[in-house]
Amino acid sequence: NAGVTQTPKFQVLKTGQSMTLQCAQDMNHNSMYWYRQDPGMGLRLIYYSASEGTTDKGEVPNGYNVSRLNKREFSLRLESAAPSQTSVYFCASLEGGANTGELFFGEGSRLTVL
Amino acid sequence: AQSVAQPEDQVNVAEGNPLTVKCTYSVSGNPYLFWYVQYPNRGLQFLLKYITGDNLVKGSYGFEAEFNKSQTSFHLKKPSALVSDSALYFCAVSPRDTGGFKTIFGAGTRLFVKA
Repeated sequence: NAGVTQTPKFQVLKTGQSMTLQCAQDMNHNSMYWYRQDPGMGLRLIYYSASEGTTDKGEVPNGYNVSRLNKREFSLRLESAAPSQTSVYFCASLEGGANTGELFFGEGSRLTVL
Repeated sequence: AQSVAQPEDQVNVAEGNPLTVKCTYSVSGNPYLFWYVQYPNRGLQFLLKYITGDNLVKGSYGFEAEFNKSQTSFHLKKPSALVSDSALYFCAVSPRDTGGFKTIFGAGTRLFVKA
């Protein structure tokens, strides 16, 4: 069982460069999420997709874009990376109903912006 | 603003002793409550959740959590800690009106269990 797969696991960018983080889940979950994790701040929601074909902003969407390519895949794009976007990024999908389901997380993508 | 507080950055406990990791929340209504665990260089893993019913819920790896509505708390507990329990623990809250779409996470508490 692969679960939630993220690529790449590590990436170093220079300020102004762009990149896309890829995420795929094989659990047939409807909703998918992108979080960032920063020390002392827990996880903050960047964007989510409640179902295929829809995306919505979370708590910290500025500087990011997302694409729900199909039911399995949800990508996060940084168009012009900034040092403030240095973080660990987690993709997640939700089992069951939106209200009571638990999140399944990928192993994370560690991004450094110089 | 809605928030989740984990008042301790780190909890230290000796192996075999009981442990408690605290969580309080300020979220309107009667939200759903979760605990997740993160091991080094891994994603978060679900431990347990409270939806309704008995205030004491049991989860994975011998963990349990006690819901207290009047204190808006959801403390994680284990009767006897193991060294392998050392990890980062996150409390999370999902408002009933938006559910999982807007899950709010605490900042995390690092648990260190000493042999």
